[in-house]
Amino acid sequence: GQQVMQIPQYQHVQEGEDFTTYCNSSTTLSNIQWYKQRPGGHPVFLIQLVKSGEVKKQKRLTFQFGEAKKNSSLHITATQTTDVGTYFCAKAAGNKLTFGGGTRVLVKP
Amino acid sequence: ETGVTQTPRHLVMGMTNKKSLKCEQHLGHNAMYWYKQSAKKPLELMFVYNFKEQTENNSVPSRFSPECPNSSHLFLHLHTLQPEDSALYLCASSQGLGQINEKLFFGSGTQLSVL
Repeated sequence: GQQVMQIPQYQHVQEGEDFTTYCNSSTTLSNIQWYKQRPGGHPVFLIQLVKSGEVKKQKRLTFQFGEAKKNSSLHITATQTTDVGTYFCAKAAGNKLTFGGGTRVLVKP
Repeated sequence: ETGVTQTPRHLVMGMTNKKSLKCEQHLGHNAMYWYKQSAKKPLELMFVYNFKEQTENNSVPSRFSPECPNSSHLFLHLHTLQPEDSALYLCASSQGLGQINEKLFFGSGTQLSVL
């Protein structure tokens, strides 16, 4: 089936800096979900985007859905050590979720 | 705690063994899932159950056999596994209403090693 591609695969960030991770699809998405998995943990739901051009914020995290609904981004400002983990986007069709490969974020103190 | 409990947390088995993974959710959800997570591949959907009925089998080998006796419990029976089946097996649940805004609640997973 169609997948979602995430870039970069790895992100090394200096504490305090900003970074963005991207999720791209070749087909139009009905919605996109984002999850975070801490090292040794399990994926935890962060947010869902449904509308074209939608922007949602959670403290230092900003999620955006592209106008064409084919891509999404997660921007983190002032990165902290608590941001360490792997961030996954997932496309939904009914109650079936297909995950991207994830962006693994490492924070340098 | 996410309301989804998986046991055991860790499992080591030989290729000739038979074992079962258990998942229980206390969220009143109607859909349950098995995902496989290995180092080399992204989260792979294995099976989906909706109201106890299997609605998705993502071309999973028959050495993995799911069972869903009710909406709260999900099992994954394992037999004659291969070393490449070593991975983190994650159970998840969702409301199961077939809506596009369903989010998944994951358990902590079972880390499986096949020797």
